[in-house]
Amino acid sequence: KQEVTQIPAALSVPEGENLVLNCSFTDSAIYNLQWFRQDPGKGLTSLLLIQSSQREQTSGRLNASLDKSSGRSTLYIAASQPGDSATYLCAVRTAETSGSRLTFGEGTQLTVNP
Amino acid sequence: DVKVTQSSRYLVKRTGEKVFLECVQDMDHENMFWYRQDPGLGLRLIYFSYDVKMKEKGDIPEGYSVSREKKERFSLILESASTNQTSMYLCASTHVGSYSNQPQHFGDGTRLSIL
Repeated sequence: KQEVTQIPAALSVPEGENLVLNCSFTDSAIYNLQWFRQDPGKGLTSLLLIQSSQREQTSGRLNASLDKSSGRSTLYIAASQPGDSATYLCAVRTAETSGSRLTFGEGTQLTVNP
Repeated sequence: DVKVTQSSRYLVKRTGEKVFLECVQDMDHENMFWYRQDPGLGLRLIYFSYDVKMKEKGDIPEGYSVSREKKERFSLILESASTNQTSMYLCASTHVGSYSNQPQHFGDGTRLSIL
């Protein structure tokens, strides 16, 4: 059974710092990996999706990498801002076929202090 | 932009009531999902559906049922609500097949309290 772990569970940094969030998964036979952001009391917003054949994806100040063989992904946030404060979740998708589902990590709660 | 709409942001119901949570998506997605999210337990899949009238159990289906009569709408039903079903409920949808490297899209969630 696929398991996804995110470390650290919480992170507090000063504004302007570059930071890395980690995600690991136990079964490397994934189809894609997705990073989400969740603000308090809200739903999840998709940030980046990396296909299994890709090594990284970038969007603005965000860069996500994927190392399937070692079962790891990282989300790099450059020049962090207070507005980046949220919980970040990673999730892996295991198959292309109907009924495919995501397995989520428990998230990293990020606080960026002004 | 993909939109997944959940009918209520906040809902308060009483123990024993039958509760309906509704979800509608506007992108013709085949797959739809219902999750619940609890502190310390993360997101857990309750049920999902990959086509009209088709459903599959997720990790925690007990006490819940679902209905998918139209492709765009997926309903979660609490047959007889209990206090341990107080939670945040999240609906999501996504494509399959050749479009399946598109992200899963979520609604804003329904915060359900059972008294």
